[in-house]
Amino acid sequence: GENVEQHPSTLSVQEGDSAVIKCTYSDSASNYFPWYKQELGKRPQLIIDIRSNVGEKKDQRIAVTLNKTAKHFSLHITETQPEDSAVYFCAAKRSYIPTFGRGTSLIVHP
Amino acid sequence: EAGVAQSPRYKIIEKRQSVAFWCNPISGHATLYWYQQILGQGPKLLIQFQNNGVVDDSQLPKDRFSAERLKGVDSTLKIQPAKLEDSAVYLCASSPGGEQYFGPGTRLTVT
Repeated sequence: GENVEQHPSTLSVQEGDSAVIKCTYSDSASNYFPWYKQELGKRPQLIIDIRSNVGEKKDQRIAVTLNKTAKHFSLHITETQPEDSAVYFCAAKRSYIPTFGRGTSLIVHP
Repeated sequence: EAGVAQSPRYKIIEKRQSVAFWCNPISGHATLYWYQQILGQGPKLLIQFQNNGVVDDSQLPKDRFSAERLKGVDSTLKIQPAKLEDSAVYLCASSPGGEQYFGPGTRLTVT
């Protein structure tokens, strides 16, 4: 089955800095890669996604890049704000079956 | 648009007892997922339904866990008997195809 590795497990940045979270996947048939933000005690919320026919996607301060050859994808958050502090999960989907990474705890210090 | 509903929100049981969780997906969403999220980890897929058929249940511990989605709408997940390691948040999600929408989850504590 699919295996998704996510790094780092914890990321601490100063407000205004950029943050990058990386994921690798094992199944070349995976074709959909969403990113979720989960605040403490709340449900995961989709923040951005990318499909395998696209290399990069941006939405305001958030961007995701995908390298299908290397089987890795990354989340980029620019101009981080304290409200960006949360756990971020990547996922890889093959035929609608999703596999999640273990999560990255992002801490943005004001 | 109403979101995914789950109940109960919290449950505390003793090991070897039984428990059931309920999920009502977003209207019209054909795909329904049950996940187990242990503290500090990502959601782990337990079972995925497409309408009332099972798409994947390879990670469902079938000796103690069962799930059904009668009529292709609501779903229940049951654990019988519960073990200490079943303590987790059980998340239900639904999807029209692609993006998933998560419910608030049920936090299960097994003592």
